[in-house]
Amino acid sequence: NAGVTQTPKFQVLKTGQSMTLQCAQDMNHNSMYWYRQDPGMGLRLIYYSASEGTTDKGEVPNGYNVSRLNKREFSLRLESAAPSQTSVYFCASSDRVGDTQYFGPGTRLTVL
Amino acid sequence: GQQLNQSPQSMFIQEGEDVSMNCTSSSIFNTWLWYKQDPGEGPVLLIALYKAGELTSNGRLTAQFGITRKDSFLNISASIPSDVGIYFCAGRAVRGNEKLTFGTGTRLTIIP
Repeated sequence: NAGVTQTPKFQVLKTGQSMTLQCAQDMNHNSMYWYRQDPGMGLRLIYYSASEGTTDKGEVPNGYNVSRLNKREFSLRLESAAPSQTSVYFCASSDRVGDTQYFGPGTRLTVL
Repeated sequence: GQQLNQSPQSMFIQEGEDVSMNCTSSSIFNTWLWYKQDPGEGPVLLIALYKAGELTSNGRLTAQFGITRKDSFLNISASIPSDVGIYFCAGRAVRGNEKLTFGTGTRLTIIP
């Protein structure tokens, strides 16, 4: 089992460009999450999907959109990247909301 | 939203020393989790606690679910170089939002 996988691992964008971060899990989990991690800020929840077909805003959703493509995949889209979105992005999954979460290896995004 | 106060924010210790860190919440929790994040990686679950007073070990790591249900503690005995990283607590409140809340992390550095 690969657990939670994320692509790409690294990305550099120019301000205004768009991109989609991909996440997939093979643990048959119902719930999936996107976090960003900035120095000294811990993990901040951007969006989550409690189950296939549903998505909800987290703590810092502005500037992002998500798609729960199917039970395995949950993507995060930046429509018009800004330097403030330079961060490390983590995807996670759990059996249900509130259960132990399992994290992917992260995507390191730099917006110039 | 839910707040978790994790302390200390950072620790500089010598190899072989014991380490203690803790998390406190403003409300009662029914789950406490401890994660470790190695440099450049995603957080990995170390220990999960589900009952007040519960004491659980994982090798040299021991975590406790506080009897007030508002705090949790993680101890590392006889630290070694591979203990370097960021340690996060996470918890689920009994009432209100059922999502996990994460602490801001304790960064552990070991001085050779």
